Order: sequence, then C-alpha cells, then structure tokens
Amino acid sequence: DTAVSQTPKYLVTQMGNDKSIKCEQNLGHDTMYWYKQDSKKFLKIMFSYNNKELIINETVPNRFSPKSPDKAHLNLHINSLELGDSAVYFCASSQGLAGGKETQYFGPGTRLLVL
Amino acid sequence: GNSVTQMEGPVTLSEEAFLTINCTYTATGYPSLFWYVQYPGEGLQLLLKATKADDKGSNKGFEATYRKETTSFHLEKGSVQVSDSAVYFCALSSGNTPLVFGKGTRLSVIA
Repeated sequence: DTAVSQTPKYLVTQMGNDKSIKCEQNLGHDTMYWYKQDSKKFLKIMFSYNNKELIINETVPNRFSPKSPDKAHLNLHINSLELGDSAVYFCASSQGLAGGKETQYFGPGTRLLVL
Repeated sequence: GNSVTQMEGPVTLSEEAFLTINCTYTATGYPSLFWYVQYPGEGLQLLLKATKADDKGSNKGFEATYRKETTSFHLEKGSVQVSDSAVYFCALSSGNTPLVFGKGTRLSVIA
C-alpha cells in the first residue's frame, strides 16, 4: 500500500515538449505539495494545495501549472520544457498545516531529464 | 525569513562510530524542527521531529534535541550501521509556512 505515489518514476524528454507528472495520496490528507530537488540534492517547495486550493506558489516559472482535481491528487504540468528543469520532483502530503507541526509524507520522486 | 544551515558533507564513518550532524536555524515565531532521511533512489521520510523547545525527538537510535538558546537541532547516533548510509535533511516549519530544508548531508558508513 503506497501512501504517496507518483507516475512516472522516470521521464526523459526533449526541450520544448510538454509533460505531466501525476501524484496520488491514499492517506486522507488535506494538503499536498510539489518540491524540486536539484542535482546537489537541494530541496525547494514549488506549490502547496489545501483542500484543492492553491495556498503556496513560490517563485516558479508559469510554465509549471499544478492541478488538483480532488484532495487525493495533485498533478504537475510543465510546458515548453527547458534543460534547467532537469531534476527530481517530489510530491508530498500532510494532514493539514496545523502551525507547521504536521509530518509530511513524500512520494518516491520523478526523475526528469530534459535533453 | 526562515532558514536552516546544516553541516556540509559528505561524512564518511566506520561502522559503530558516533555520528553528529549539526543543524542550526533562523526562524520567526516558534518553529517545529524535523530531520528527514533520503535513502538512495527513494523519497524523503521523516526520521524524527520536535515541536517545542527542549523536546527530544528520537527514532531508530537517532536523537535530536530542540535547543532554543543555541537555535540548534543536532542529529546524533551512538553507533552507526552501513544501513544508515543516506542523505539527512534538517528542516523547519513555522506557522503556516512551508517546510524549509537544509542542503542535506550525505552520510556513508563503511564496514
């Protein structure tokens, strides 16, 4: 039983293409996140949704568009892919925000390589 | 703003050695502090956390104490194993702000 799952696990594509990464959580959580991890392992929040509403949108190019069809899913669509988008993208979820005390549960990551 | 500074790696230790990974933070308000671990090829998983000053988080032989006076949350383990080889991330969250991570410390334990 995977708590937070992502597909695909690996994604290799050409510059300029459009791609989507899907995330699903079966924990009944209200809040979901997307993070980007670069080649040096540095992790940065990209987006956060709470009850399907966008609550955090860090400085991310508008080529990246998250979509939350329901509380259990948060997908990430990327237009016009660039070389610098190559990274590992992690989805995560938590029960709520609760003053920052909530544990976040991470998916296994999607390794994106743009050629 | 909130920030986390943790010691640069990589750290290489022999099995059964003592481990310390330093972490200090800057935050407004009263943050919660976390250590996450990332095993090779996997996502992050919570190792331990502390939500108020002087709390000690512990799990799998790892410990960290929330020290408000030194704004620190150092990770320690008395005797590391090869299976502890991973990247360790210190993180904090305050109010409704997202988790802020340190840059990660890679630990390699050799038999």
